[in-house]
Amino acid sequence: QVQLVQSGAEVKKPGASVKVSCKASGYTFATYYIHWVRQAPGQGLEWMALIDPRNAWADYAQKFRGRVTLTRDASTTTVYMDLNYLTSDDTAIYYCARDEISAETHNFDYWGQGTLVTVSP
Amino acid sequence: DIVVTQSPLSLSVTPGAAASISCRSSQSLLQTNGNNHLDWYVQKPGRSPQLLIYLGSNRASGVPDRFSGSGSGTDFTLKISRVEADDVGLYYCMQALQIPWTFGQGTKVEIQ
Repeated sequence: QVQLVQSGAEVKKPGASVKVSCKASGYTFATYYIHWVRQAPGQGLEWMALIDPRNAWADYAQKFRGRVTLTRDASTTTVYMDLNYLTSDDTAIYYCARDEISAETHNFDYWGQGTLVTVSP
Repeated sequence: DIVVTQSPLSLSVTPGAAASISCRSSQSLLQTNGNNHLDWYVQKPGRSPQLLIYLGSNRASGVPDRFSGSGSGTDFTLKISRVEADDVGLYYCMQALQIPWTFGQGTKVEIQ
């Protein structure tokens, strides 16, 4: 069955970096984009970035450009999200989600379980 | 960026009654091929979001036919025909026309 399994919760200090992983299984890795969406406490959903696992091409929301980097390891079917220069505003649950590359539209049919990143002095 | 606005932001519904959520986008989500790039998600308490509707009106796999999506261009609606206790959660619309994908603020559905 399709699974996106994310790494565990993190606690970081302001100014630090965090790396969250998303391991995909149960489907052909190269046929789905992986997106990252975050949710601050009590807030809505915010799209951050996506990566094409075929060639590691990535695109980012302007808000996060220069601060977030997506990479992938095709051998382990894992996508990584690096977020730098953390502030308290980055405290959120970070989700990965997949999106079929060949589909006529974009939607997120499977999501990871979420990773809580807490930024605290 | 495309701004997506939902209303109402909260909804209290009697079991068995119908519920309706509106979603408006700041620009048309309709492509020349007739596709409306608007999806609906629900986030049940403590869970990851899950896809309900894609391309404005297509139910995702396993979604009961009590859920229906309609609309075109800039105005869309999610309807739940007979609300059940399990439908409690936050409902989001999301435009998937252009990067950055943007979500509505979310509508909290509660059962009376």
